[in-house]
Amino acid sequence: DTGVSQDPRHKITKRGQNVTFRCDPISEHNRLYWYRQTLGQGPEFLTYFQNEAQLEKSRLLSDRFSAERPKGSFSTLEIQRTEQGDSAMYLCASTHGRNRGLETQYFGPGTRLLVL
Amino acid sequence: GQNIDQPTEMTATEGAIVQINCTYQTSGFNGLFWYQQHAGEAPTFLSYNVLDGLEEKGRFSSFLSRSKGYSYLLLKELQMKDSASYLCAVRDVATNKLIFGTGTLLAVQP
Repeated sequence: DTGVSQDPRHKITKRGQNVTFRCDPISEHNRLYWYRQTLGQGPEFLTYFQNEAQLEKSRLLSDRFSAERPKGSFSTLEIQRTEQGDSAMYLCASTHGRNRGLETQYFGPGTRLLVL
Repeated sequence: GQNIDQPTEMTATEGAIVQINCTYQTSGFNGLFWYQQHAGEAPTFLSYNVLDGLEEKGRFSSFLSRSKGYSYLLLKELQMKDSASYLCAVRDVATNKLIFGTGTLLAVQP
């Protein structure tokens, strides 16, 4: 099964440190989405890519956050100078995008970040 | 603005039927999704409605009324493994991003 994969699954860091997460979408899926989910809430949209182009960024994505998808395959999400409020589950989802994005988004297992 | 409402918690009995409601107010609408999420895991896709009416998939059915901004997820023959959070999400017409409600935590009791 080659579903969406994310790495690492868990990350504990100290406040002020930088962290980077990776997402590998389903093969040949050209749309990739990042979401953030805190306890007791639904996922909140952060940003999305069509191939290597980043097409939208949420206001939640402060200047400490940056996302890339350099070759239109895997994507990375970096958080600089982490704060305790960044503690959350970071979810990645992908779709094949052949129907103008009108397809189901399939989620990866998520990266759970804890900032101490 | 965008607002999606669903009950925070529900309890039901094994073998019974439960209906989880979702109401939404969004600036654009391009389909409504239901996802299941077990604690500590990623959301998994359950159903999708873009037109009014009922969609049935085994023990799960989902209904949509676009004029009322209303959907429900119906779970039949409840099993203990159905204990999970059920997320209602509306797809944004411009970007296809999903806008989620806070989720309904369903507890299935023996």
